[in-house]
Amino acid sequence: QKEVEQNSGPLSVPEGAIASLNCTYSDRGSQSFFWYRQYSGKSPELIMSIYSNGDKEDGRFTAQLNKASQYVSLLIRDSQPSDSATYLCAVRGSGGSNYKLTFGKGTLLTVNP
Amino acid sequence: ETGVTQTPRHLVMGMTNKKSLKCEQHLGHNAMYWYKQSAKKPLELMFVYSLEERVENNSVPSRFSPECPNSSHLFLHLHTLQPEDSALYLCASSQGQGEAFFGQGTRLTVV
Repeated sequence: QKEVEQNSGPLSVPEGAIASLNCTYSDRGSQSFFWYRQYSGKSPELIMSIYSNGDKEDGRFTAQLNKASQYVSLLIRDSQPSDSATYLCAVRGSGGSNYKLTFGKGTLLTVNP
Repeated sequence: ETGVTQTPRHLVMGMTNKKSLKCEQHLGHNAMYWYKQSAKKPLELMFVYSLEERVENNSVPSRFSPECPNSSHLFLHLHTLQPEDSALYLCASSQGQGEAFFGQGTRLTVV
């Protein structure tokens, strides 16, 4: 069973639209969740962190967490061509594995002008 | 500019060579990580050090040998690698179990 799952995409949206990226995880005890953006040939860049159930907004980005459903998502409003990248969901392990930060395979997002 | 610096950025090595990757973090963090990123595969956690003690070792072959002499520096010593070890090697750091920040990566090619 994969620990962190994401739709690999590609996800294609028009400029100005809302892009919705989803992630599920298997460790029920996980408490820390992160979204990273990775441009081709570059290293991952942290966008958002979320630790509590509900929504967390930062500019055009909103992270949503539902621990009961083991689901975390990222919404990008007013998508821009510069948002075109691979988005990685990352989850910290629980208990004795709380230093283990596991990534999903990533979702490739393309924003069309 | 990044708070986590990796050198070299690119490395080509033969299967009989010995080389080392270096990572330095200027963020005052107490945990450091090595990840491997291959094409079409998710980021694979290799090692985690917390306060210079190794706390995670994800069944990595012994041809990869990490070293963490202090909380700011992390090395990955490489010897007798295989072509399938060619990948992007990423270093990251965090303060405890908080957010992790990545270096620019070392693109390794084994010939």
